[in-house]
Amino acid sequence: AQSVAQPEDQVNVAEGNPLTVKCTYSVSGNPYLFWYVQYPNRGLQFLLKYITGDNLVKGSYGFEAEFNKSQTSFHLKKPSALVSDSALYFCAVRDGQAGTALIFGKGTTLSVSS
Amino acid sequence: ETGVTQTPRHLVMGMTNKKSLKCEQHLGHNAMYWYKQSAKKPLELMFVYSLEERVENNSVPSRFSPECPNSSHLFLHLHTLQPEDSALYLCASSPSAGLTSYNEQFFGPGTRLTVL
Repeated sequence: AQSVAQPEDQVNVAEGNPLTVKCTYSVSGNPYLFWYVQYPNRGLQFLLKYITGDNLVKGSYGFEAEFNKSQTSFHLKKPSALVSDSALYFCAVRDGQAGTALIFGKGTTLSVSS
Repeated sequence: ETGVTQTPRHLVMGMTNKKSLKCEQHLGHNAMYWYKQSAKKPLELMFVYSLEERVENNSVPSRFSPECPNSSHLFLHLHTLQPEDSALYLCASSPSAGLTSYNEQFFGPGTRLTVL
């Protein structure tokens, strides 16, 4: 069975500092990995995805994520956080070989203070 | 967010009411989805439609009834709901619903449903 875990309910960082939002996954085949962001009273917005190729994926708004197969992780990162990055972040995974539905983590609230 | 629209944005209903949620996508996609988002819980996939045919139904109670009249529109008909059904209901679309697809999904803003 596939699963995705976001171990932190909340991440707090100061503006200008680097941020990391953690995600680990479990699939039996090849993982397709996604990050989405949700601002208050809005739907989810796609940030980036890993399908194959380079382990470092760059996405919208200066975010990037690193795929680590040995650690089964796909952490979201940004070198310098902005107050406007404060939102709810979701990691999601699909087993590209088994043909399964997209599974979302429970989300991590990122709070960036000025 | 204009790619996927949802109406109404907020809905309050009693347990005996019948109401419908509407979703429309303007992206030319072939697949549409209904998700339920409850506080502190992962998104729950409810239904998936591909080219107007239901391809997935994740053990959703029969008080939720989806309808997809064409590839641009998706409805969720509600009747005799329970208070625990109160949540944010999100609609999404993607180019295809193939379960090996690597396409991202595009989400609407959601309908905040409160069942009294």
